[in-house]
Amino acid sequence: QVQLVESGGGVVQPGTSLRLSCAASGFIFNNYAIHWVRQAPGKGLEWVGLISHDGRKKYVDSVKGRFTISRDNSKNTLFLQISGLRVEDTAVYYCARALPRMTTVGWFDPWGQGTLVTVSS
Amino acid sequence: QSVLTQPPSASGTPGQRVTISCSGGRSNIGTNTVDWYKQLPGTAPKLLIYSNIHRPSGVPDRFSGSKSATSASLAISGLQSEDEADYYCAAWDDTLNGFVFGSGTKVTVL
Repeated sequence: QVQLVESGGGVVQPGTSLRLSCAASGFIFNNYAIHWVRQAPGKGLEWVGLISHDGRKKYVDSVKGRFTISRDNSKNTLFLQISGLRVEDTAVYYCARALPRMTTVGWFDPWGQGTLVTVSS
Repeated sequence: QSVLTQPPSASGTPGQRVTISCSGGRSNIGTNTVDWYKQLPGTAPKLLIYSNIHRPSGVPDRFSGSKSATSASLAISGLQSEDEADYYCAAWDDTLNGFVFGSGTKVTVL
């Protein structure tokens, strides 16, 4: 079945870097854009960014310059590189497939289970 | 502060109808389609309604979506205990050049 599985979260100190991964299965990975969405503890959803099926990227303004999304189509895996981590980056990070196929402006389905990033000294 | 505005809470008794509003602007809801997501505590969001009115396979027809101008609504009819969850609207914003989510509405079944 179509599935996304995130990994790479953990407890990190402010100012450090972290790379999150999102492993995809059950669909033709290079046909779809993938989004990252985060949710701070007890808060709502915040869109972080996307990478299109052909590698174009967009980010929310608040993370531009610190977050980098990439994909390895040979391994059906998406990455989110985060540098200069801040306390306010503490959140569960979800990856989600974009529908319809080969579009970036659509809906998200499915979502991964999420990976928790905690930034604390 | 979210770009899309939702009421923080909504409630009803079993069998009742509950409606959740999502208010935006010309650059998001006014121009693009709206999607709705349901999130149970401690779990990932799930797609509930896409492109304003469409239900994915497996979503009961008790759930319906609508859109008019710069606002959208999600209606839950025949409210059931398993409908207790947080609900979020989402849309692409042409000005921000990214997706925006509503602030979320917690639905309680009394």
